[in-house]
Amino acid sequence: EIVLTQSPGTLSLSPGERATLSCRASQSVDSNYIAWQQQKPGQAPRLLIYGASRRANGIPDRFSGSGSGTDFTLTISRLEPEDFAVYYCHHYAGSPQTFGQGTKVEIK
Amino acid sequence: EVQLVESGGGLVQPGGSLRLSCAASGFTFSSHRMTWVRQAPGKGLEWVANINQDGSEKNYLDSVKGRFIVSRDNAENSLYLQMNSLRVEDTAIYYCAKNEGDWWGQGALVTVSA
Repeated sequence: EIVLTQSPGTLSLSPGERATLSCRASQSVDSNYIAWQQQKPGQAPRLLIYGASRRANGIPDRFSGSGSGTDFTLTISRLEPEDFAVYYCHHYAGSPQTFGQGTKVEIK
Repeated sequence: EVQLVESGGGLVQPGGSLRLSCAASGFTFSSHRMTWVRQAPGKGLEWVANINQDGSEKNYLDSVKGRFIVSRDNAENSLYLQMNSLRVEDTAIYYCAKNEGDWWGQGALVTVSA
């Protein structure tokens, strides 16, 4: 089973700042099967990034993903008020699929 | 527009059973894998099970193997999760998702409590 560890647990930033979220896998994974999901309170998750770096339909270009092997990053170039949420990385190859524990991006 | 609507959640005693349904619309249901993911109160996301397009391949989280059964009816555009021998630790919001999570339903709350 691939264990995904996200850091930091909480990121306190102001609107307009850059956010950098990390996801580390317990062993090397195929980057084609790494996704990032956004979840706001009381809502279902929403796909942001798949294949480590491909933006899903309708996702603004301030969101970008990168990485390979065991280290993956989600970057939000300039935080908008609607971006304050919890972000999960997700490895979706094989079974079981796994999620990281989440990074909360909160308003400073 | 893609829509996924879960139903069938509720309160059940430990050891009981519940069947969740997920009604799909806005896409060719029979062409896509489908997934169940759960989220315990205040916790993160946990993958539960998935099923391939024709229902011939199913995968499960170890802790639900032998207790949960995922199935689908492509004629009815519906996904199901039969949950048996429910435990307190199965309490969660259960989401159905298209493919491995490119679209999600709003979730169904399952509470297992005496």
